[in-house]
Amino acid sequence: DQQVKQNSPSLSVQEGRISILNCDYTNSMFDYFLWYKKYPAEGPTFLISISSIKDKNEDGRFTVFLNKSAKHLSLHIVPSQPGDSAVYFCAATLQTGANNLFFGTGTRLTVIP
Amino acid sequence: EAGVAQSPRYKIIEKRQSVAFWCNPISGHATLYWYQQILGQGPKLLIQFQNNGVVDDSQLPKDRFSAERLKGVDSTLKIQPAKLEDSAVYLCASSLSGYQPQHFGDGTRLSIL
Repeated sequence: DQQVKQNSPSLSVQEGRISILNCDYTNSMFDYFLWYKKYPAEGPTFLISISSIKDKNEDGRFTVFLNKSAKHLSLHIVPSQPGDSAVYFCAATLQTGANNLFFGTGTRLTVIP
Repeated sequence: EAGVAQSPRYKIIEKRQSVAFWCNPISGHATLYWYQQILGQGPKLLIQFQNNGVVDDSQLPKDRFSAERLKGVDSTLKIQPAKLEDSAVYLCASSLSGYQPQHFGDGTRLSIL
């Protein structure tokens, strides 16, 4: 039972344009959401997070939007750079009790120079 | 600060053999996690430790997998005996507490022949 879904396995974007990565979840109890970036042969690296009490969080070129009613979040990267090419994982968790992260299957972003 | 250290990076064994992985978390991180990432999927939590106690091992196949964190610092994950479906990347992560973003090591890629 996949509680966090990333329906686009891949995305290609021109350098300088916006990249939008999407994520949907089914468990309405999730209250904390994270994005991780993964390069080949490396572990995932934490990128940005958002609590369910917010609908937007920004960190430099990266912005995460949360739509709780739609159980949907997205990661915007503006402007996209070739170094952003990686696999991006969306993850969700409950902040009470065990902090078990539920991951999506990932979206491979390719930024074309 | 030094990141999460894992060894070995790669391991190839035959089915029914045993294997062990080692993880040293970031200094001061009380919470340690082991994840299994099968090709094409997101990481799946196997076990979570808080100091040297187990918080969640509900997804750990206990008939063949075991993990320990005896002194509340480094940890080992063992598989005995291995099955073909255990081929995956095993990721270790740590966090200051259960409510902080998790930091991942580069993982151990296990291949079962």
